[in-house]
Amino acid sequence: ETGVTQSPTHLIKTRGQQVTLRCSSQSGHNTVSWYQQALGQGPQFIFQYYREEENGRGNFPPRFSGLQFPNYSSELNVNALELDDSALYLCASGLGLGLAGGLTDTQYFGPGTRLTVL
Amino acid sequence: LAKTTQPISMDSYEGQEVNITCSHNNIATNDYITWYQQFPSQGPRFIIQGYKTKVTNEVASLFIPADRKSSTLSLPRVSLSDTAVYYCLVGRLSPNYGGSQGNLIFGKGTKLSVKP
Repeated sequence: ETGVTQSPTHLIKTRGQQVTLRCSSQSGHNTVSWYQQALGQGPQFIFQYYREEENGRGNFPPRFSGLQFPNYSSELNVNALELDDSALYLCASGLGLGLAGGLTDTQYFGPGTRLTVL
Repeated sequence: LAKTTQPISMDSYEGQEVNITCSHNNIATNDYITWYQQFPSQGPRFIIQGYKTKVTNEVASLFIPADRKSSTLSLPRVSLSDTAVYYCLVGRLSPNYGGSQGNLIFGKGTKLSVKP
């Protein structure tokens, strides 16, 4: 158990709709990141939040947006859903661990939300 | 960041030791290596992390040679429940924590199948 929770577990939406996915990251962790994982592929980085501000963004359009709140919770919002948005959406909270004189960004993942767009 | 290359799949039998090697030829001096395990429809699970030489925990060992251009995840005496996809990632160390800004890139991983 990583202490990272996500809701809902599963979700079905239709094309053009909007969706909000939620994540509660582990207390004491510094960042929250969101990933999209299509079937048979590795997770693809969407964006990361650090101190409630976006801290890096992958190759995803602006209709993917997010928020991080002071209580370690986070949201991923997707507007104008497309069929290709069907995927497992993963939230990960990050912690800097000391290694070789520096700090890592070690990610701890939640169980994911399975989004199906019809 | 260094691109990683892993075998697409591996087969093993229960009780055997499994070694999965990852190539990261362009690893930089301030990069580290992390391995994750993922079961179907679950989030990746952190297994082990290291910078050089050997790291061991209760789940696995990680061997990193002196040139650090590859790393090997070693799973002792695998069981059926070790059937999963294993990902090797290279991350950048920082002097002050500020997140990774997305520099932890997942490839397709290695699909390990353990047979009885």
